[in-house]
Amino acid sequence: AQKVTQAQTEISVVEKEDVTLDCVYETRDTTYYLFWYKQPPSGELVFLIRRNSFDEQNEISGRYSWNFQKSTSSFNFTITASQVVDSAVYFCALSEENTGGFKTIFGAGTRLFVKA
Amino acid sequence: DVKVTQSSRYLVKRTGEKVFLECVQDMDHENMFWYRQDPGLGLRLIYFSYDVKMKEKGDIPEGYSVSREKKERFSLILESASTNQTSMYLCATHPRTATGHLEEQYFGPGTRLTVT
Repeated sequence: AQKVTQAQTEISVVEKEDVTLDCVYETRDTTYYLFWYKQPPSGELVFLIRRNSFDEQNEISGRYSWNFQKSTSSFNFTITASQVVDSAVYFCALSEENTGGFKTIFGAGTRLFVKA
Repeated sequence: DVKVTQSSRYLVKRTGEKVFLECVQDMDHENMFWYRQDPGLGLRLIYFSYDVKMKEKGDIPEGYSVSREKKERFSLILESASTNQTSMYLCATHPRTATGHLEEQYFGPGTRLTVT
């Protein structure tokens, strides 16, 4: 069965600190996809990154980086030199193929507060 | 840009009323989803649809039904609203998956439903 665990409910940092958001997943499939989404105070979820199960390369995009490790079933997200605009709820998600398409399960989310 | 719209941002209904939440997308996506978002629980999948007139139960379908008569529209129905259905409801879409590739989901702005 699918499961996504984001153990950190809330994190508070001061601007310019680095912060890592943890995501651990469970799946029996060999083919699956992992995602991170950001939900700012306005409420609309915004896609950040997608990884498939065959691509364990880490990725960096500006201040954002992602560490995908199949051995520990983790897909962690690091923000370097955090800014106030990074304050949001961040969701990790896992998609597996289902009858006719893909089903996506989300973690409970981590609320990040970045203080000036 | 993909546009996913939901009929209302805020809705207040009474216990026992029949409630319709509408979601419309303009990108010809085959896959559409309804989630509810509650604090500490993340997004939970209620129902999804891979094509017109097709529907699949998600993880928490009890008390809900859906309708997909046209490709662009996916309706969530609360047959007899109850106070425990007070929540934020999010609609999402993504296109049919090509072999080896899954697109991210595109989300609507959400409907905050209060049942009194």
